Amino acid sequence: KNEVEQSPQNLTAQEGEFITINCSYSVGISALHWLQQHPGGGIVSLFMLSSGKKKHGRLIATINIQEKHSSLHITASHPRDSAVYICAIWGSNYKLTFGKGTLLTVNP
Amino acid sequence: DVKVTQSSRYLVKRTGEKVFLECVQDMDHENMFWYRQDPGLGLRLIYFSYDVKMKEKGDIPEGYSVSREKKERFSLILESASTNQTSMYLCASRRTVTEAFFGQGTRLTVV
Repeated sequence: KNEVEQSPQNLTAQEGEFITINCSYSVGISALHWLQQHPGGGIVSLFMLSSGKKKHGRLIATINIQEKHSSLHITASHPRDSAVYICAIWGSNYKLTFGKGTLLTVNP
Repeated sequence: DVKVTQSSRYLVKRTGEKVFLECVQDMDHENMFWYRQDPGLGLRLIYFSYDVKMKEKGDIPEGYSVSREKKERFSLILESASTNQTSMYLCASRRTVTEAFFGQGTRLTVV
């Protein structure tokens, strides 16, 4: 079993919809990242969380340390949000473990 | 405001060539990392370095080596590139877990 599980693997939405992507992990962590990767593009760090909630524009990330769960929300989704969203955790060692990613497609 | 810079966004190399992927950070971070990303497998750790001249193998070090002569620079070396090393390569650096940054990635194609 992977240490980091994301759901769904693929998500298709209509422009304007509210999007939620989930990340569950099975080990104790120091922090969690949400990353974004556009098709053929590089990887951009959206958020780094160790507790609570962060907001940046239309993006909101939450984490529940006790439940070992994080969510990434996108409000008023737009076609330019179409990308792969990746959850990654810092464990107790030096390793950063990545989820397999969620492919989001937002149709106009 | 770029903090972690990978020397190339796209590279095309021939089989058997020696390939250097460079990563530079300007934040005085001790820890630096190299990952590769493949469809269906996600991102996997190749090597990491926790200080100058210090290195540790990650999950998939075969076919790679690294160099960290200066704190700001961490190089990934493919001694003899092969087609199965065609991939996206990602560098990261951190001082603590709450201060970690990623490069933009290098897409390497070996033909």
